[in-house]
Amino acid sequence: SAVISQKPSRDICQRGTSLTIQCQVDSQVTMMFWYRQQPGQSLTLIATANQGSEATYESGFVIDKFPISRPNLTFSTLTVSNMSPEDSSIYLCSVRWDGQETQYFGPGTRLLVL
Amino acid sequence: QKEVEQDPGPLSVPEGAIVSLNCTYSNSAFQYFMWYRQYSRKGPELLMYTYSSGNKEDGRFTAQVDKSSKYISLFIRDSQPSDSATYLCAMKRRAAGNKLTFGGGTRVLVKP
Repeated sequence: SAVISQKPSRDICQRGTSLTIQCQVDSQVTMMFWYRQQPGQSLTLIATANQGSEATYESGFVIDKFPISRPNLTFSTLTVSNMSPEDSSIYLCSVRWDGQETQYFGPGTRLLVL
Repeated sequence: QKEVEQDPGPLSVPEGAIVSLNCTYSNSAFQYFMWYRQYSRKGPELLMYTYSSGNKEDGRFTAQVDKSSKYISLFIRDSQPSDSATYLCAMKRRAAGNKLTFGGGTRVLVKP
């Protein structure tokens, strides 16, 4: 199985600022996704990161708040913009290979907004 | 009502016991079923994957899907303290593209 890494692993940020989270995979993958896991809750899909085109956002998530890039088949970034304490959460990237239905997750980025 | 329901626990069992976990769901269109294990401060790790109904066994883990009852289960035999984690069920519809729908997770504690 591939190694999925995320940077940073955790951060404490001030409200009104932005944070960019990186996701790197050690092999090419078909699909990359970004999830949010709020305290005590399960995972919610934010968007699908499309290589070479705009991300596809789920209901309730918008590009202005969560801009996503995917410049190649092994790397993606998620930016959390104009942060508020409600953005405090774990942000996870996941990947899927062609022909598979399962997704594999990175270690997550723990974000605390003060 | 949530699409996927899962008892949050915690479920506390003695070492060596069988751990029984389950999820119920409301949408009969779910076709693909997964169980993930998530240790504290870690990302979810895929444990089991089943398609449609039936049983699947992998070592100490058995996954069951009963589509007629909209009910899935995960059994862990000979539980170990290292099995202490949160277990998440996830499901996917054939037509849903890539979206996984997760249960809320069950926290399991295996006591030595």
